[in-house]
Amino acid sequence: NAGVTQTPKFQVLKTGQSMTLQCAQDMNHEYMSWYRQDPGMGLRLIHYSVGAGITDQGEVPNGYNVSRSTTEDFPLRLLSAAPSQTSVYFCASSSTSGTGPYNEQFFGPGTRLTVL
Amino acid sequence: AQTVTQSQPEMSVQEAETVTLSCTYDTSENNYYLFWYKQPPSRQMILVIRQEAYKQQNATENRFSVNFQKAAKSFSLKISDSQLGDTAMYFCAFMKHSGGSEKLVFGKGTKLTVNP
Repeated sequence: NAGVTQTPKFQVLKTGQSMTLQCAQDMNHEYMSWYRQDPGMGLRLIHYSVGAGITDQGEVPNGYNVSRSTTEDFPLRLLSAAPSQTSVYFCASSSTSGTGPYNEQFFGPGTRLTVL
Repeated sequence: AQTVTQSQPEMSVQEAETVTLSCTYDTSENNYYLFWYKQPPSRQMILVIRQEAYKQQNATENRFSVNFQKAAKSFSLKISDSQLGDTAMYFCAFMKHSGGSEKLVFGKGTKLTVNP
């Protein structure tokens, strides 16, 4: 298993450009999420999905769109990039159908995005 | 809303010694989970240890152990016999027991440096 993969690893955008951060997992996990990590701020939840066709907002959703057409993929779209979106972005996934009370979240390697 | 506070932005310890990282949280929930994640310079998020709130016994994983004080809403991480490879950012995180919506709330992190 490749686990959780993210592409690209690094990206530089100009203000106003759009782009999609890709996230894929091969563990058949129902739950997927996107976090952003800023210096001194920890990780904050942007959007999450509990299954294909179902998405919801997290703590900091403004400026980002998501969709979940398949179990495997959960892309994050920036429609008009702003310097405030300069950050490191992490995708995570977990199973929600395990036998235990908790299912570990697996994180991707992250994407470092710079918006000029 | 839940909040997680890590009051020590940076700490250092000598190799082979013991260090304790502090974490407090605020919640009105009764069933929840607490975690410590390690983020080395590679940026990968690695789960170190987890604690179920309904368990009174403190979790341990080899050199890592926690001191969970539910009434005080405190969740500290003790690293024994510190190794150079323990140098990393450490994040405390909270997740309420919500049966399928595994949203994590992170603290701002503590940068730990292990000195030779």
